[in-house]
Amino acid sequence: NIVLTQSPATLSVTPGESVSLSCRASQSISTSIHWYQQKSNESPRLLIKYASQSISGIPSRFSGSGSGTDFTLSINRVESEDFSIYYCQQSYSSLYTFGAGTKLELK
Amino acid sequence: QIQLVQSGPELKKPGESVKISCKASGYTFTNYGMYWVKQAPGQGLQYMGWINTETGKPTYADDFKGRFVFFLETSASTAYLQINNLKNEDMATYFCARNPGYWGQGVMVTVSS
Repeated sequence: NIVLTQSPATLSVTPGESVSLSCRASQSISTSIHWYQQKSNESPRLLIKYASQSISGIPSRFSGSGSGTDFTLSINRVESEDFSIYYCQQSYSSLYTFGAGTKLELK
Repeated sequence: QIQLVQSGPELKKPGESVKISCKASGYTFTNYGMYWVKQAPGQGLQYMGWINTETGKPTYADDFKGRFVFFLETSASTAYLQINNLKNEDMATYFCARNPGYWGQGVMVTVSS
């Protein structure tokens, strides 16, 4: 199975800061990585697909980059509504896997 | 619009079975596979496997082989997850999902004697 390692586990920031969240794959997965945001008691929301492709309706402050084994979700100037948990997911293998998540919290 | 609507919360005893439904609308059901995700209380997302909606063939992640069954009612555009012989560790919210990024609202399954 492909293992995804997200770091850091928790990121404490103030609104207006820009941040980068990391996701590392245990083997090369090309650009088959997707990023989700999950707020409490809600379904995950897709933010970025295939490493860097934007999703309709998602604010432009969210962007993704990377290929192979190292991927990054960037949030330009964090807003209060962004405090939640972020997961990466790979679809390179037919058996998808998720990272353990990064919690973005208010400093 | 594309929607995945899941059944309501369940309260079961250990050893019982539960069947969760996921009704799709707004697209051709057989054009996209359906996958299932478990989220235990306070925990992350765990991929359970997927079902090919064209052939009905299920594929299970290692942790979900044995007591977990994916099946379809294609005429009703509905996918099902059945969990047999429920254990305390099955207590979780279960999501159905399809690419790219469409998720059901989740079903909370409580297991308590």
